[in-house]
Amino acid sequence: QVQLVESGGGVVQPGRSLRLSCAASGFTFSSYGMHWVRQAPGKGLEWVAVMWSDGSNAYYADSVKGRFTISRDNDKNTLFLQMNSLRVEDTALYSCARAEDFGGNTLDYWGQGTRVTVSS
Amino acid sequence: DIQMTQSPSSLSASVRDRVTITCRASQSISDYLNWYQLKPGKAPKLLISAASSLHSGVPSRFSGSGSGTEFTLTIVNLQPEDFATYYCQQSFLIPPTFGGGTKVE
Repeated sequence: QVQLVESGGGVVQPGRSLRLSCAASGFTFSSYGMHWVRQAPGKGLEWVAVMWSDGSNAYYADSVKGRFTISRDNDKNTLFLQMNSLRVEDTALYSCARAEDFGGNTLDYWGQGTRVTVSS
Repeated sequence: DIQMTQSPSSLSASVRDRVTITCRASQSISDYLNWYQLKPGKAPKLLISAASSLHSGVPSRFSGSGSGTEFTLTIVNLQPEDFATYYCQQSFLIPPTFGGGTKVE
């Protein structure tokens, strides 16, 4: 069965960096686009970034563009989110999600998320 | 960006009730509309894609309809495990955008 397990969250000061990982299993990772989505405390879902299955394209939400970088290692079935210059407003539960196909925007399986808290 | 507006933001219902949630897009998105179910501490679940296609394993009491800018999620015969928050999402354009959510309590 499809499994997505995030890790790497924690408490970090504003301006610092954090790298999230998403370990995938139960499917051919290299065939699917992968997304990051976040949910701030008490708020709704906010899409963060997507990387296509072969790593050829990546897109970002305006709120994170220039600060966050999505990447993937198809040999290790792992998705990453490098978060730099973190802000208080980046505090959220970050979840990775699989796209229905190589680069689509329908998210058919999600992980439970890893929590990021940005605070001084 | 395409704005997605859900209503209501919350609703009170009972087991065996019929529940309807509406989602409106700020521009036409054809049928590029998905519905998700969120429960605290659990991974979100895709319920419906392409406005009306039931995702694998989702009970048939869930259904979706609509196209263009107006969409509906309907739950008939509400079950105890259906008390959750539901989100619509457009997959027509990047960035994918979500509605504000509807809490069914």
